[in-house]
Amino acid sequence: KQEVTQIPAALSVPEGENLVLNCSFTDSAIYNLQWFRQDPGKGLTSLLLIQSSQREQTSGRLNASLDKSSGRSTLYIAASQPGDSATYLCAVNTGFQKLVFGTGTRLLVSP
Amino acid sequence: GAVVSQHPSRVICKSGTSVKIECRSLDFQATTMFWYRQFPKKSLMLMATSNEGSKATYEQGVEKDKFLINHASLTLSTLTVTSAHPEDSSFYICSAKRTEIIQETQYFGPGTRLLVL
Repeated sequence: KQEVTQIPAALSVPEGENLVLNCSFTDSAIYNLQWFRQDPGKGLTSLLLIQSSQREQTSGRLNASLDKSSGRSTLYIAASQPGDSATYLCAVNTGFQKLVFGTGTRLLVSP
Repeated sequence: GAVVSQHPSRVICKSGTSVKIECRSLDFQATTMFWYRQFPKKSLMLMATSNEGSKATYEQGVEKDKFLINHASLTLSTLTVTSAHPEDSSFYICSAKRTEIIQETQYFGPGTRLLVL
């Protein structure tokens, strides 16, 4: 059974810092991995999608990497801003139309 | 493109009543829709997968008679929580896929907050 874990569970940083969020999964047989952002009481916003054949994806200040063999992904946020404060979720696509979500990292960026 | 809406955004009901939540794909036809449940400060748990015109597939531990799913068209799926109890209070999120391609992403709705008194 696929299990997805995110570390740290919560993170508080001052504005301007670069930071790394970690995601690990137990079964490397995945189709892709996706990072989402969730604001309190809201739905999910897709940030980056990395296919299993890819090593990384970049969008603006965000960079996500994938090491499928070791079951790890990282989300790098450069020059963090208060508007980045949210919960970040990673999810792996296990096939069979299923996404397995991680436990999430709650990020607070203070001005 | 690929916008998914949910209605209502929040609902409060009395214990024992039934509540229906709608999930619509606004600008595409969804081959498959998914229903997730999220407890406070927890991650999303897949409840069921629904395909238009066929019965939903429920995840282990999800009561299909309690959480009725109807996927009547390629743009609409509904989740009905029957005889709701306080423990059914949660955040329910739907998602939809445009194609059967496994690698394609799911598009998520904004969620529905259910509070059962």
